[in-house]
Amino acid sequence: NAGVTQTPKFQVLKTGQSMTLQCAQDMNHNSMYWYRQDPGMGLRLIYYSASEGTTDKGEVPNGYNVSRLNKREFSLRLESAAPSQTSVYFCESGLAGVDGETQYFGPGTRLLVL
Amino acid sequence: GEDVEQSLFLSVREGDSSVINCTYTDSSSTYLYWYKQEPGAGLQLLTYIFSNMDMKQDQRLTVLLNKKDKHLSLRIADTQTGDSAIYFCAERIDYKLSFGAGTTVTVRA
Repeated sequence: NAGVTQTPKFQVLKTGQSMTLQCAQDMNHNSMYWYRQDPGMGLRLIYYSASEGTTDKGEVPNGYNVSRLNKREFSLRLESAAPSQTSVYFCESGLAGVDGETQYFGPGTRLLVL
Repeated sequence: GEDVEQSLFLSVREGDSSVINCTYTDSSSTYLYWYKQEPGAGLQLLTYIFSNMDMKQDQRLTVLLNKKDKHLSLRIADTQTGDSAIYFCAERIDYKLSFGAGTTVTVRA
């Protein structure tokens, strides 16, 4: 049981480049989430997926797309990276509002956009 | 986000109790949470309280919820050096979590 894994751990991009952040969980959770964390701020929700095949926008979705092709994996894509997307990205998985205490966060992906 | 506010810093002596405070604005919150984040790591869920409860105790942690004032607190008894971290409170509304900016707790000897 590896919990929530994220790849890569670190990434440097140039403005305009694209990349996909990967997240996987092996706990059979329905819900998965992507957040970004910026200095002096709490986590802000980018997108979430309540179940396989469904996705919804969070608080800060602009500039991102997501894909939930199966129950295990939830990816976050930056089509054309901008310096404002420099941040630490966290993936979370849990049970969708049924059991509030089941939440697991990945270790984070640190992204620098030059 | 903007709906959840916390004080930014707390310094406490080892062995004393720490109290971290949080206010939220949305009365439709179902659960309220406390997380711990150590340097370079993801968030760890410490404890949570359902919105119809006033208090929850879990070993050294005590959560108090005042729904009337929309105030949440986390008390850590017998604070240890390993408790130094950033602590986040969050509220859940439907599927979404809304986080405060975090309180940096420093434990001094």
